[in-house]
Amino acid sequence: GDSVTQMEGPVTLSEEAFLTINCTYTATGYPSLFWYVQYPGEGLQLLLKATKADDKGSNKGFEATYRKETTSFHLEKGSVQVSDSAVYFCALSDQDNDMRFGAGTRLTVKP
Amino acid sequence: GAGVSQSPRYKVAKRGQDVALRCDPISGHVSLFWYQQALGQGPEFLTYFQNEAQLDKSGLPSDRFFAERPEGSVSTLKIQRTQQEDSAVYLCASSLVLAGAYNEQFFGPGTRLTVL
Repeated sequence: GDSVTQMEGPVTLSEEAFLTINCTYTATGYPSLFWYVQYPGEGLQLLLKATKADDKGSNKGFEATYRKETTSFHLEKGSVQVSDSAVYFCALSDQDNDMRFGAGTRLTVKP
Repeated sequence: GAGVSQSPRYKVAKRGQDVALRCDPISGHVSLFWYQQALGQGPEFLTYFQNEAQLDKSGLPSDRFFAERPEGSVSTLKIQRTQQEDSAVYLCASSLVLAGAYNEQFFGPGTRLTVL
């Protein structure tokens, strides 16, 4: 079945460092891809999305491009801030609306 | 309310007890989803409603798990005869409409269930 594999954490970076969190997927169809973020003590929030190949999702300085040829949706940010410290989940959804999540990557940004 | 709410936020149960977890979706949202998130893992799909109809319950781990949404709004996830392996955070999400492959779900804060 459909699945998502993302980079294991935890990831610790200094403020203003470049961030990449890898995500690859397996799907039989043409899913939509998502990154969700979970800040401490809060619920999951949609960070960005891409609904078809070559789409680039972006929000709050984060970007991810839907790469069908490599079945990837890597999350990047050029300069992280302390406030970006959170757990990041890559996810996919097919037409059955069954959302599949990766295991999550915990990011800690130090000042 | 402004977002999805869940209650209680924390629940401690003795093994064998029944528990009921409540979800209040965003007003007007047609679809409602339940997920189970074990410690250190991503959410795992449990079940899905469109209005009051339960369209998919393939993720429910056993017949001890039961979910309902009788009036197409509030939903309750019930776990009978809880076991230690049921300890997890239970997340509820709602979405406005079904739209083919695109589905933005809004999540509640979750209920952390601990079974002793």
